[in-house]
Amino acid sequence: QSALTQPASVSGSPGQSITISCTGTSSDVGSYNLVSWYQQHPGKAPKLMIYEVSKRPSGVSNRFSGSKSGNTASLTISGLQAEDEADYYCCSYAGVTVFGGGTKLTVL
Amino acid sequence: EVQLVESGGGLVKPGGSLRLSCAASGFTFSSYSMNWVRQAPGKGLEWVSSISSSSSYIYYADSVKGRFTISRDNAKNSLYLQMNSLRAEDTAVYYCAREEYLDVWGKGTTVTVSS
Repeated sequence: QSALTQPASVSGSPGQSITISCTGTSSDVGSYNLVSWYQQHPGKAPKLMIYEVSKRPSGVSNRFSGSKSGNTASLTISGLQAEDEADYYCCSYAGVTVFGGGTKLTVL
Repeated sequence: EVQLVESGGGLVKPGGSLRLSCAASGFTFSSYSMNWVRQAPGKGLEWVSSISSSSSYIYYADSVKGRFTISRDNAKNSLYLQMNSLRAEDTAVYYCAREEYLDVWGKGTTVTVSS
């Protein structure tokens, strides 16, 4: 049950696009399209942003998109807005669930 | 409105026990698998345990295996986590969340293990 690997922090200016990577192994991210992404603001519960690699739940902005290549999944946020500043976590839920360590997004 | 509400957290001494509850409303609870996820102060998310809709399949993180027990009562729309032999490192906010991809979360309940 090793954690997925995410960068500790990323930053971008309003209007720009950023991408957060999430690296696993051939046993989790690489083998199944069961990767999700969560946004968490300070003191709040996490919110599902992407599931099954690239699907968006109802109500989530289309500025958020997900993809996967090999053992690495990615979350892209386009048209950065101030309210996007938050912690982001990836998750593989193939059998046993495992999270990434989290990435702090700063909007400059 | 789909909602999950956790309760049962508190301050407990090392070696003690605590039982968390999660009350579900606004959806057919018996149709969904459920999870417990925790977050230690200033740290990231850690999956703790999951249970299938009919309780047929149960999984635990290695860090809690043998000490924590997940269960559910579909007649009461409730999820539980029995935590025994608690350690300082179990201190965290505990969330319940729905489905394998955790689409709905509660607001969490805080567990503090300290002497």
